[in-house]
Amino acid sequence: KAGVTQTPRYLIKTRGQQVTLSCSPISGHRSVSWYQQTPGQGLQFLFEYFSETQRNKGNFPGRFSGRQFSNSRSEMNVSTLELGDSALYLCASSLSRPNTEAFFGQGTRLTVV
Amino acid sequence: AQTVTQSQPEMSVQEAETVTLSCTYDTSESDYYLFWYKQPPSRQMILVIRQEAYKQQNATENRFSVNFQKAAKSFSLKISDSQLGDAAMYFCAYRSQAYNAGNMLTFGGGTRLMVKP
Repeated sequence: KAGVTQTPRYLIKTRGQQVTLSCSPISGHRSVSWYQQTPGQGLQFLFEYFSETQRNKGNFPGRFSGRQFSNSRSEMNVSTLELGDSALYLCASSLSRPNTEAFFGQGTRLTVV
Repeated sequence: AQTVTQSQPEMSVQEAETVTLSCTYDTSESDYYLFWYKQPPSRQMILVIRQEAYKQQNATENRFSVNFQKAAKSFSLKISDSQLGDAAMYFCAYRSQAYNAGNMLTFGGGTRLMVKP
């Protein structure tokens, strides 16, 4: 069974640009969550999508958005990039609750210059 | 809102010895899950062990076990017979069982574990 796949693995963008990251969950998983990991702030929850609907959202500005497609694949978009957006972005997929484990992808390392 | 605190930024252990990583959390909820995740240099988060709050028995997975103290809101991880491959960042995480909580995880700041040969 294929794991959670995140693309691209590495990305370098310039301030002011926008970026789209992709996450393909494990087959059969309908929940996809996104996290931002930085040395200063640690791991922070961005949002969760379940059956194409945003179920929860973390405390991030509106520049961060996401969506989920009917095949459960998810994308997150960051517009008007800032230097502080440089981070590892992790995606996790899960079956529907309860008693479910979150499986993580290897992340996308975004560097904003 | 729930918070998770890991007070040890770094720990080291001799190969084959035992080490305990600490985690405390704050919540007003009675039903939740607690997890320990491992993040090796490859960056992929791997679930080590999980504990359901309503279960009094401490979870165990091979060399990994937890000491879950619900009243004290403490959830420590014990690694026995440490191996070089255990070297990684370890994160403690909380997941609410509230209806509207979804699968959101709240993480602690992490503990870097070094294993000395």
